[in-house]
Amino acid sequence: NAGVMQNPRHLVRRRGQEARLRCSPMKGHSHVYWYRQLPEEGLKFMVYLQKENIIDESGMPKERFSAEFPKEGPSILRIQQVVRGDSAAYFCASSPAVEETQYFGPGTRLLVL
Amino acid sequence: AQSVAQPEDQVNVAEGNPLTVKCTYSVSGNPYLFWYVQYPNRGLQFLLKYITGDNLVKGSYGFEAEFNKSQTSFHLKKPSALVSDSALYFCAVRDLYNQGGKLIFGQGTELSVKP
Repeated sequence: NAGVMQNPRHLVRRRGQEARLRCSPMKGHSHVYWYRQLPEEGLKFMVYLQKENIIDESGMPKERFSAEFPKEGPSILRIQQVVRGDSAAYFCASSPAVEETQYFGPGTRLLVL
Repeated sequence: AQSVAQPEDQVNVAEGNPLTVKCTYSVSGNPYLFWYVQYPNRGLQFLLKYITGDNLVKGSYGFEAEFNKSQTSFHLKKPSALVSDSALYFCAVRDLYNQGGKLIFGQGTELSVKP
């Protein structure tokens, strides 16, 4: 059983461009969480999705950020018009049920020039 | 609001010595507590969790954690440290008051094990 997959592992964007981060949960997991790790900071929750539905987006910035988890395919975290402050490691986690352990992917390290 | 605190930014131990990484929590009701480890440029690996039951929880790679309700602590321990245990350790609590049970993390503790 493959673990949580994230791609790309590294992403470089110039200010104003768009960043798309992908997450494929573990097989059988329908719950996906996105977290962000800013330099010198801990991990902060961004959004929780369950197939086709956003359940909790309380940690997501109101502007420029969006997330989806379509019926088919990976979950996508999209950042429009990136700024330097978006540079961070973005981690995806999945679980088979809301009360179960969350397992993390290797992360996408976004660098905004 | 639920939170966890890791009072030490860094812990240094000699190989073969016991190690402790501290974590305290603040929650309403019964806590769901977790420990994760992060190696450089890698994702988080699950070590162990406390939901209910025995206060001493055993996890991966020889780690264990002791849940102490009176002291609101959930310290991570290992009887004999290895150099390969050097990594960043995160304590987390599950937020039970919002749909989805997001994890709330401590700031992390850098563990350095010297030969």
